[in-house]
Amino acid sequence: KQEVTQIPAALSVPEGENLVLNCSFTDSAIYNLQWFRQDPGKGLTSLLLIQSSQREQTSGRLNASLDKSSGRSTLYIAASQPGDSATYLCAVPLSSGSARQLTFGSGTQLTVLP
Amino acid sequence: NAGVTQTPKFRILKIGQSMTLQCTQDMNHNYMYWYRQDPGMGLKLIYYSVGAGITDKGEVPNGYNVSRSTTEDFPLRLELAAPSQTSVYFCASSYLDQPQHFGDGTRLSIL
Repeated sequence: KQEVTQIPAALSVPEGENLVLNCSFTDSAIYNLQWFRQDPGKGLTSLLLIQSSQREQTSGRLNASLDKSSGRSTLYIAASQPGDSATYLCAVPLSSGSARQLTFGSGTQLTVLP
Repeated sequence: NAGVTQTPKFRILKIGQSMTLQCTQDMNHNYMYWYRQDPGMGLKLIYYSVGAGITDKGEVPNGYNVSRSTTEDFPLRLELAAPSQTSVYFCASSYLDQPQHFGDGTRLSIL
């Protein structure tokens, strides 16, 4: 069974700092990996999707990397801003070959202090 | 463009009551999903649908039922509410295996 772990559970940084969020998964035969953002009282917003054949994806100040062999992904946020404060979750498919059933980590709650 | 709309936003139920959580999307997505999120945890898939008339169980389907009579709507039904079903419920939709779009959730308490 696929299990996803995110460490740390919470992170507080001063504005302007570069930071890395970690995600690890137990079954490396994944179809893809996604990073989501969740604001308080809201649903999830997809940030980046990395296909299994890719090593990384970039969107603005965000860069996500994927190392299937070691079962790890990182989300790098450059020049953090208070507006980046949110919970960040990673998700991978429950089983290989299908992206329909996702299993989520419990998230990292990020606070960026002005 | 409303995206994924969930109603109600909040609800309190008594043990044993039943209710339907509504979800509708206006993006013509073929895939739809129901998740639950317990405090401090990630989301767990309850049921999903790959098209009208087709539904399948996710990781935690017990105590829930779904139907998909149209592309737009995917209601989730709780027949006999139990305290263990207190959670935040999220509906999502996607076009095939593309990133999922989420509603803002229904916060359900069962007392």
